[in-house]
Amino acid sequence: QKEVEQDPGPLSVPEGAIVSLNCTYSNSAFQYFMWYRQYSRKGPELLMYTYSSGNKEDGRFTAQVDKSSKYISLFIRDSQPSDSATYLCAMTSNYGGATNKLIFGTGTLLAVQP
Amino acid sequence: NAGVTQTPKFQVLKTGQSMTLQCAQDMNHEYMSWYRQDPGMGLRLIHYSVGAGITDQGEVPNGYNVSRSTTEDFPLRLLSAAPSQTSVYFCASSFRQGGGGELFFGEGSRLTVL
Repeated sequence: QKEVEQDPGPLSVPEGAIVSLNCTYSNSAFQYFMWYRQYSRKGPELLMYTYSSGNKEDGRFTAQVDKSSKYISLFIRDSQPSDSATYLCAMTSNYGGATNKLIFGTGTLLAVQP
Repeated sequence: NAGVTQTPKFQVLKTGQSMTLQCAQDMNHEYMSWYRQDPGMGLRLIHYSVGAGITDQGEVPNGYNVSRSTTEDFPLRLLSAAPSQTSVYFCASSFRQGGGGELFFGEGSRLTVL
């Protein structure tokens, strides 16, 4: 079993829809949770970063962490065609949150149809 | 400010050939790393460096060498290319190792080994 599981999609939604992207994980030591966005033929870029449990909002994006269920989510409100990309979750444990120990999900491909 | 620059963007090799993927960053980041991205496997860490003269192995180091003679550059060498090394390679850098520091990725180098 992988440490981090992510549905690869593809997920296709109409413009304006609310999108929910999810990851589950098995290592209860994970404390730092990230979402990266990767456009086609580009490198990933950091979208959201949360530490421990709770919600974090940034514009149309909300990241949610439920450590009791080992489940993290990224919500996109009023989705736009420019949101079409692959979304990768990433996480690491709390021993300094070592960057070299960052574990990535496989990514979910999202297509927002105009 | 160019960020993380990778060359070449595309490369085709024959089995047994060697080559070097170049990576340079102009953000004065101490931490640099190489990942490979394969369908269904996500991003996997090959090697990383926490500063000039210091390198260490990641999750999938076999068949690859790295060195870090300057803060700016972190080349990845394929010693004897194999078809299993066909992948997209990403170089990434971070200001610091701890605290789950944000990774800045290059645009990727697409390698095919025949």
